[in-house]
Amino acid sequence: QVQLVQSGAEVKKPGASVKVSCKASEDTFGYFVHWVRQAPGQGLEWMGWINPHSGGTKYAQKFQGRVTMTTDTTISTTYMELSSLRSDDTAIYHCGRTRGYYYYYGMDVWGQGTTVTVSS
Amino acid sequence: QSALTQPASVSGSPGQSITISCTGTSTDIGGYNFVSWYQHHPGKAPKLMIYDVYNRPSGVSNRFSGSKSGNTASLTISGLQTQDEADYYCTSYTITSTLVLFGAGTKLTVL
Repeated sequence: QVQLVQSGAEVKKPGASVKVSCKASEDTFGYFVHWVRQAPGQGLEWMGWINPHSGGTKYAQKFQGRVTMTTDTTISTTYMELSSLRSDDTAIYHCGRTRGYYYYYGMDVWGQGTTVTVSS
Repeated sequence: QSALTQPASVSGSPGQSITISCTGTSTDIGGYNFVSWYQHHPGKAPKLMIYDVYNRPSGVSNRFSGSKSGNTASLTISGLQTQDEADYYCTSYTITSTLVLFGAGTKLTVL
C-alpha cells in the first residue's frame, strides 16, 4: 500500500523559508500531489499541486510568489517550499496524492502532516 | 471567500441522517462529475470519503453517500455515529482554470 511520509516538524523565524518533503513509499509518479495546510483553529486551505512526472505546477493565488513545489523523481519525493514566512503561516502542512493521473481526481493517500511553527 | 459554498455547521443525533451541501456553478459542479468529499479530524490527515460525486473508496462505510443536483453536490451520512464528528470539505474540478476548488468546510456535530 502506498504511503506518503513527510519530513519532521520545523521552527522558523519570520522572514525565513521552510522546505517540507513528501516521499512516496513506492514509485507511482504520474499521480499528482497536492499540498494543503491547516492553521490553528482554521479550516483546510489548498495551496497547490505538482505533477511529479513533468514538474508542472499550479498554485493558489494566495501563495503565488511565495510557494514553490518541486520534485526529485530519483527518490520519489516532492517538496513544498514556502518563503517569507509570517506568524500566520504556522500550520500543519499535508501532502496528498491523487488516485489517478489527473489533478482533479480525489486524493486518497495522505502524508502524516508536518507542523511548521513561525515564531521570533 | 471560497468558490464552493458549504454550510458552516450541521448537527444530528446518533442514528440520524444528515446532509451537507456544496454549491458551485455550471462551470464546476454543475458541468462535471469530479466532486470529492473529505473528512478531517483536526490535527490528522484528511480522508477521502467520496470521489467523482457518487463513488466510495475501498474501506469507507456505506453510511456515506454522495449525490448531485444542478450546481449543488451533497454528502449524506446515515446512521450517525459519534466518530463521524469532524469537518467535511468538498472539492471540484473547474473548467475555468487548473485550480482545484475547495469549500470552506462544514463542522459536523453529533449531539
